[in-house]
Amino acid sequence: EAAVTQSPRSKVAVTGGKVTLSCHQTNNHDYMYWYRQDTGHGLRLIHYSYVADSTEKGDIPDGYKASRPSQENFSLILELASLSQTAVYFCASSWTGGGQNTLYFGAGTRLSVL
Amino acid sequence: TQTVSQSDAHVTVFEGDSVELRCNYSYGGSIYLSWYIQHHGHGLQFLLKYYSGNPVVQGVNGFEAEFSKSDSSFHLRKASVHWSDSAVYFCAVRDPGKLTFGDGTVLTVKP
Repeated sequence: EAAVTQSPRSKVAVTGGKVTLSCHQTNNHDYMYWYRQDTGHGLRLIHYSYVADSTEKGDIPDGYKASRPSQENFSLILELASLSQTAVYFCASSWTGGGQNTLYFGAGTRLSVL
Repeated sequence: TQTVSQSDAHVTVFEGDSVELRCNYSYGGSIYLSWYIQHHGHGLQFLLKYYSGNPVVQGVNGFEAEFSKSDSSFHLRKASVHWSDSAVYFCAVRDPGKLTFGDGTVLTVKP
């Protein structure tokens, strides 16, 4: 079954440390996304990618980097983690052929920065 | 940039009731609207979408939504809710290549 898998599922990081969140999809989709969700709020787009070796800034890219080394893998990197980056992070993939844009989400990574 | 607003942060109904969750969008080009559901502790799951044709679209589990260009709306409806429909519902609008989500509506279904 096609899926989006995120790792780790949860992480505790220290302020100023480096954090890497990983995402792997078996959907054969061209687009991949990283969103963050803060308690009681909707999702905000951090970075996305429509092809390997290329990434695009979303609506809130500051403090985050992204890497898409292959079609299947998309990572989110926090070089210097801060308290304000405590949130749940969701990866998603989609195929945009034919005007479609249905997103398939992973289960999320709960990040706590202390 | 297209935006979407969900005016009701919380909606509470009883099992068997009908429900309508409201979504309004700003028009900025070609229309692509969708609804997602998020159960507690899980990722979002696609419910339904509209991008052309019949303005009433059917989704999974008895959900439907109606697109209205005149009202700039895409409200989600269900005729008879079940306790398992309790979740957060997100409306989303497409910007080229990405989706912008509303803040969500928490639906609570009481027995």
